[in-house]
Amino acid sequence: ETGVTQTPRHLVMGMTNKKSLKCEQHLGHNAMYWYKQSAKKPLELMFVYSLEERVENNSVPSRFSPECPNSSHLFLHLHTLQPEDSALYLCASSQGGRYQETQYFGPGTRLLVL
Amino acid sequence: GDSVTQMEGPVTLSEEAFLTINCTYTATGYPSLFWYVQYPGEGLQLLLKATKADDKGSNKGFEATYRKETTSFHLEKGSVQVSDSAVYFCALTRPSGYSTLTFGKGTMLLVSP
Repeated sequence: ETGVTQTPRHLVMGMTNKKSLKCEQHLGHNAMYWYKQSAKKPLELMFVYSLEERVENNSVPSRFSPECPNSSHLFLHLHTLQPEDSALYLCASSQGGRYQETQYFGPGTRLLVL
Repeated sequence: GDSVTQMEGPVTLSEEAFLTINCTYTATGYPSLFWYVQYPGEGLQLLLKATKADDKGSNKGFEATYRKETTSFHLEKGSVQVSDSAVYFCALTRPSGYSTLTFGKGTMLLVSP
């Protein structure tokens, strides 16, 4: 595997379900990110992790819970979501998290909440 | 707060036509500026970037110049190909601290043979 991978690629869940999205980067980076891409809206940064520590949290509802157990893996735990949470969730990584760095994106998980 | 404004799409062109996608931004200080591209079914890929005023980023025939006086970073290509059909995102990061990309809404480009 190379680059940034995400699983699953597609997910359908009910509002009472609990599920998790997984991201893995094979680039030796130390920073990882979650973004939300909704139709007709700009990509929104959700969380930033640097060296496994959360350094940014953009006022994301608590029904989204990130976890970064090591610098290669990032999870987004989902529970009691709403239909408006349906979107493409993108993971990215960069070398150290500094502002000029290039971020490398995964293909995303397409989430549908019924 | 920071913001990025891109021209509405879709932009429809014939192969070998000249491309311009406009991007303007609002930010404090001197942000770094990026263009990312998203092909169907894929994640975003960095196309080019510029980190200070008057810098020109270029890649795969695409170019963009960081214009501080007009707060712009317009994307250009002299001759587009069908394979350039994708969604193009302009983005910026604040000039210090952690990388927190602020994106425009994206512009879809459709190139016909």
